[in-house]
Amino acid sequence: QSVLTQPPSASGTPGQRVTISCSGSSSNIGSNYVYWYQQLPGTAPKLLIYRNNQRPSGVPDRFSGSKSGTSASLAISGLRSEDEADYYCAAWDDSLSGPWVFGGGTKLTVL
Amino acid sequence: QVQLVQSGAEVKKPGASVKVSCKASGYTFTGYYMHWVRQAPGQGLEWMGWINPNSGGTNYAQKFQGRVTMTRDTSISTAYMELSRLRSDDTAVYYCARDQIVGATSSGFDPWGQGTLVTVSS
Repeated sequence: QSVLTQPPSASGTPGQRVTISCSGSSSNIGSNYVYWYQQLPGTAPKLLIYRNNQRPSGVPDRFSGSKSGTSASLAISGLRSEDEADYYCAAWDDSLSGPWVFGGGTKLTVL
Repeated sequence: QVQLVQSGAEVKKPGASVKVSCKASGYTFTGYYMHWVRQAPGQGLEWMGWINPNSGGTNYAQKFQGRVTMTRDTSISTAYMELSRLRSDDTAVYYCARDQIVGATSSGFDPWGQGTLVTVSS
């Protein structure tokens, strides 16, 4: 059982905008930054978003992050077939669950 | 370029220990924390702990306290994660990942090593 809650799956067609949610609590998302990782099939995870809404160099601006209260979202606009992957949210947790906790992951399918 | 290269796959019997290495290149090894994260087959990511290569200080997830030891050798820019008293549910891919702490805030785990599959089976 993951500390952060994500939907197990999401889908969209090419060109669409999709969002993936991540729900937490006051001890993690509510008081700390959120990070997002993309894991393409058979590869190591890759940092997609850091500190709620910052993109590392090289990450397309089609990817954006936001946070409100104890929830966060990852938005992908102009969906492309190569975006099909697993997406994980993560946050620092001030409770005994931490310090770092992940969501269970969301499998994004591009139809 | 920044790169983390991990040691090869391991097969261990229950009760044994495993030590995974993570060799860093392309940056100042002592300037960044190193995390260890594992992923069981078909499952999500699980944070195990971190080591500060500069001081050797560590912080382990409560779940692994007493079973995990993270060390480093700054002379060869390599971090190690040793897990003892292995069980079948420790079968997973183990990743190392770099983190730059700025003002006590993480910059995210970036990059990640390629992963090391550890299989625990009798």
